[in-house]
Amino acid sequence: SQKIEQNSEALNIQEGKTATLTCNYTNYSPAYLQWYRQDPGRGPVFLLLIRENEKEKRKERLKVTFDTTLKQSLFHITASQPADSATYLCALVWYGGSQGNLIFGKGTKLSVKP
Amino acid sequence: GAVVSQHPSRVICKSGTSVKIECRSLDFQATTMFWYRQFPKKSLMLMATSNEGSKATYEQGVEKDKFLINHASLTLSTLTVTSAHPEDSSFYICSAPEAGGGNEQFFGPGTRLTVL
Repeated sequence: SQKIEQNSEALNIQEGKTATLTCNYTNYSPAYLQWYRQDPGRGPVFLLLIRENEKEKRKERLKVTFDTTLKQSLFHITASQPADSATYLCALVWYGGSQGNLIFGKGTKLSVKP
Repeated sequence: GAVVSQHPSRVICKSGTSVKIECRSLDFQATTMFWYRQFPKKSLMLMATSNEGSKATYEQGVEKDKFLINHASLTLSTLTVTSAHPEDSSFYICSAPEAGGGNEQFFGPGTRLTVL
C-alpha cells in the first residue's frame, strides 16, 4: 500500500533561518502533492501544489520541490517568522485516486523562536 | 479563497446519543464534499465522500450505519455520528474541492467531538 512519511515530528528553528521539511512516499509516484498548514484546533489550509512533472514551485517565502527519483518533496520557508509556527502537512493524490482522496502525512510541527 | 464552515465547532455528548455535524460551502457550490477524521498527532483519515443527490461513498473500515452522511444541497453536507461511544471522540473535518475541477481542497475549521 502507498505510504507517506514526514520524517520529523517536530522542528525548532531560529527566526530568520530557513525551515526545511521533508515528505517521503513509497511505491508509485503521485499525480500531485500538496502542502497544508494546520494550526491547533483548526482545519488545514492549502499552501502549495506541485505536480509529478514539476520540479519546483514557489509562493512568496515558500518553496516546494519534488524529486520523483528520491520519492521525496521538500518544503522550505525562508526568512522564517514566529508566525510561521504551525503543523505542516503533506498530502498526496495518486493516479486513480479521487480528487478528495488525499493521503496525508502525520505532519511536522514547526516552532520558530524569536 | 473559498470558505467552508462547520457547525458546531465543539460538542460534548453522552454515550449512546447521536450528534450531527454540518459542513457548508459559503460562497461556492460543492457537488462533492469530503469528511475526515483526525486523532491527536495522527494523519487526517478520509472517512467518506459526500455526493449531492446520491449516496455517500465510504472508505474501507468506516461503518455506514454509524456515520450517516447526507448531502442535502449544493452547499450543505451533514455527518451524523449515531449512538456515539467514547472511541468516537475525535476531530472531524470536512472539505470541498475547488470549483471547476481544480485540485485545491478547502477545509472547514473542524469539529471537536467528545463523547463521555
